[in-house]
Order: sequence, then structure tokens, then C-alpha cells
Amino acid sequence: GESVGLHLPTLSVQEGDNSIINCAYSNSASDYFIWYKQESGKGPQFIIDIRSNMDKRQGQRVTVLLNKTVKHLSLQIAATQPGDSAVYFCAEIPRTGANNLFFGTGTRLTVIP
Amino acid sequence: DSGVTQTPKHLITATGQRVTLRCSPRSGDLSVYWYQQSLDQGLQFLIQYYNGEERAKGNILERFSAQQFPDLHSELNLSSLELGDSALYFCASSVGGRGTYNEQFFGPGTRLTVL
Repeated sequence: GESVGLHLPTLSVQEGDNSIINCAYSNSASDYFIWYKQESGKGPQFIIDIRSNMDKRQGQRVTVLLNKTVKHLSLQIAATQPGDSAVYFCAEIPRTGANNLFFGTGTRLTVIP
Repeated sequence: DSGVTQTPKHLITATGQRVTLRCSPRSGDLSVYWYQQSLDQGLQFLIQYYNGEERAKGNILERFSAQQFPDLHSELNLSSLELGDSALYFCASSVGGRGTYNEQFFGPGTRLTVL
């Protein structure tokens, strides 16, 4: 299913370039931060997570950076491919012991072949 | 495929009606979460169940209710439907539910249209 529509921030990149998607979070007491990818017609798909006591975490072609000073999270995608075109959401888990997610607005990434 | 199944895929109904959305979690997962995705509100957490018991509540309206059955599948009941309830409803599941972070796996969603 299509995700949040009319006022999504958008990012267009050329295939092969690196992408950087940014997110500002609200709760300084959040314990975990997660990036999800949502393709058209599908549910959110986990990409990578980072705990609040870390600054950086790397996965396969993806890196998440956490700046707690300014409450900013970023997702870097290396060598962006057409299959990376999707809406990307950051989500946070408050340090309450519960496991429910609070999602950001989302960014639509379009990869230009 | 996340292993989480949701039925139906699409649902069209009228205002004032009641519908039931169904979710089956991944094998072995004890927690089920319900989220609503609408154009103006984004993805919002509604409610979580863990092993049959309500564990956390988010922005869920009083017209909405949920339950988790002994076989761990869950149902989200939406009643007195309004036009603004039109949205995608996602179910997610995780192994645990509280005390430690557990990755959530999302189903494909149910698209509800209220006419």
C-alpha cells in the first residue's frame, strides 16, 4: 500500500550514487532507533537499527548515524540501486520497556536509472 | 515475505458499519502489534498484545478494539466507521513484547475504505 502521501519529503538520486536520508526524532529518552523501508503495496520492512548508546552502525550497503546532541538520525545507502526506490521511515522505541514503534513522517527515495 | 499474514487485503464498507481485520503472526512470535497508516497521520501505533494479554496502548479510538486468541492470531475490530477511518492497517509481530527490544515484522496490510 502506498504510504504517507501528499507532503512526503522526496529525494532523487542517480543510480550508483550514495543516498542520505535524514530524520529528526523527538524523544531524547528513546532507547532504540530503527529504519524501515516501505515499497508500494507492501508493509514496512526492517533495514537496520541502532541503540541509543551507539553513534554509528553499519550493515550491508547501509549505515545509520545517530547524533543525540541534536536528536538527528540518518541513513546512508551506498551505491543506490533502482530497487532501493521506496519510502523510508525512521522509528523510535521509547525507554519505557514497551516495544511499540513511533514512526517519523517518511522520505520518498526515487532512484534514477 | 515476513511470515505475518493479514486478511482481508482490501475491505470496502459504509459509514456506521463494523469490520474485523485478522492477523496471524510469524510462527513462534508471541507479540502482535496493530498500526494505522493514513495520509494525514502517517504510521501510528494502535495497540499491542503479548501472549493473549494487552501490553501497550497507543492512539486507539474507543470505537476500535482488539484481542489476541490462544492460537496467537489477533483481530482488530473497528465499529461505527467514519470516513476518516479509511487507511491501511498493518499488523506486526515480534518474539517478545516488553523489557528488551524485539524486531517487529510487518504484514502486507489491510486497506480499509469507508464510503
